[in-house]
Amino acid sequence: GAVVSQHPSWVICKSGTSVKIECRSLDFQATTMFWYRQFPKQSLMLMATSNEGSKATYEQGVEKDKFLINHASLTLSTLTVTSAHPEDSSFYICSGRAGSSYNEQFFGPGTRLTVL
Amino acid sequence: AQRVTQPEKLLSVFKGAPVELKCNYSYSGSPELFWYVQYSRQRLQLLLRHISRESIKGFTADLNKGETSFHLKKPFAQEEDSAMYYCALMEYGNKLVFGAGTILRVKS
Repeated sequence: GAVVSQHPSWVICKSGTSVKIECRSLDFQATTMFWYRQFPKQSLMLMATSNEGSKATYEQGVEKDKFLINHASLTLSTLTVTSAHPEDSSFYICSGRAGSSYNEQFFGPGTRLTVL
Repeated sequence: AQRVTQPEKLLSVFKGAPVELKCNYSYSGSPELFWYVQYSRQRLQLLLRHISRESIKGFTADLNKGETSFHLKKPFAQEEDSAMYYCALMEYGNKLVFGAGTILRVKS
């Protein structure tokens, strides 16, 4: 299957700072990338959908000014958590979907964010 | 709203016993359903999708529109099947809606 990487795998930051998480499709072109959030012992919740070259579409209740998503190329999407607070601490997972793969999303390993 | 329900948080079975992980959904259109698996310290990966009607690692799942179910089954559980299993529904825009997940523990 296709491979999606995320960097960093874990990050600790101080409250009020911004953190950028990268999501890369290593061996395919991801026309669409998805960002999910997973709280401990809970399911994945979709935050936003991003298509290369266009603005991300955010799910209801997700603040677009707080979670900035950029999908500048077919292999890279970034999620920036701005002015992070402890309640933003979570596991963030991205997935990529190629235009040709029949609706399959390939998931990254996730990034654990801890805000102190 | 679209919803996926996995009623069991944990399912514990003995090796060699049959396994059934339950999944029910609510969707106004024609559903496209998936099962994803997450082994310990690994990323989420696709196990199977209803459209392909295939069997992966001995697992099968049949879409029952009358009961709005997509239960995952395996006749004989193996220890390496121990993992977290998520049922997911694809809605408009290729967005996945995940169930809460079921931890499967296969005991020796």
